Amino acid sequence: GAVVSQHPSWVICKSGTSVKIECRSLDFQATTMFWYRQFPKQSLMLMATSNEGSKATYEQGVEKDKFLINHASLTLSTLTVTSAHPEDSSFYICSASGLAGGLGETQYFGPGTRLLVL
Amino acid sequence: RKEVEQDPGPFNVPEGATVAFNCTYSNSASQSFFWYRQDCRKEPKLLMSVYSSGNEDGRFTAQLNRASQYISLLIRDSKLSDSATYLCVVKLYGGSQGNLIFGKGTKLSVKP
Repeated sequence: GAVVSQHPSWVICKSGTSVKIECRSLDFQATTMFWYRQFPKQSLMLMATSNEGSKATYEQGVEKDKFLINHASLTLSTLTVTSAHPEDSSFYICSASGLAGGLGETQYFGPGTRLLVL
Repeated sequence: RKEVEQDPGPFNVPEGATVAFNCTYSNSASQSFFWYRQDCRKEPKLLMSVYSSGNEDGRFTAQLNRASQYISLLIRDSKLSDSATYLCVVKLYGGSQGNLIFGKGTKLSVKP
């Protein structure tokens, strides 16, 4: 149980285009979803936290107008990288948790989306 | 000072060896602690949680020293399949809900 999927698994796009990444919890309802980014040989960095039906909370230094997050249902969150540039090339990983605190605090990670902007 | 610090390695060990990784964290308010493993170009996967009393899961033993803000992972009888990057992770309560702070990871390579 507790499977999280991401789509697409990789994407190559031209500079200036927008890219949408989907994150789905397949067998549980995710009250909270998290978006991370990992550059080569760097640690995962939290970009934003989203709760179903409310606005995402962005970490300091992450542009909310550039990285649009929508968490419209308990099983789906999307991250849209608007007007992507080469410096946005990275490994984007989502995670989901089913409950706030207690036994459900474990975050389950999706397989990640590798973005390359040319 | 970085929030979670790890020796990046790599640790190159023969099969069957015992290897230990250390990690320090800077925020004394950290509440939960974990070791994740990340294979090349893959997502991190939870290896084990770390409890104050220390805990063991098969060949893996984790220890936590809150006073020193120090976490360790011991792997006994290393297997080739243990080759990966091991991420030390702490979780803060307050601020962003469920915020996990990841270390950069320690790379382990187990050789035949």
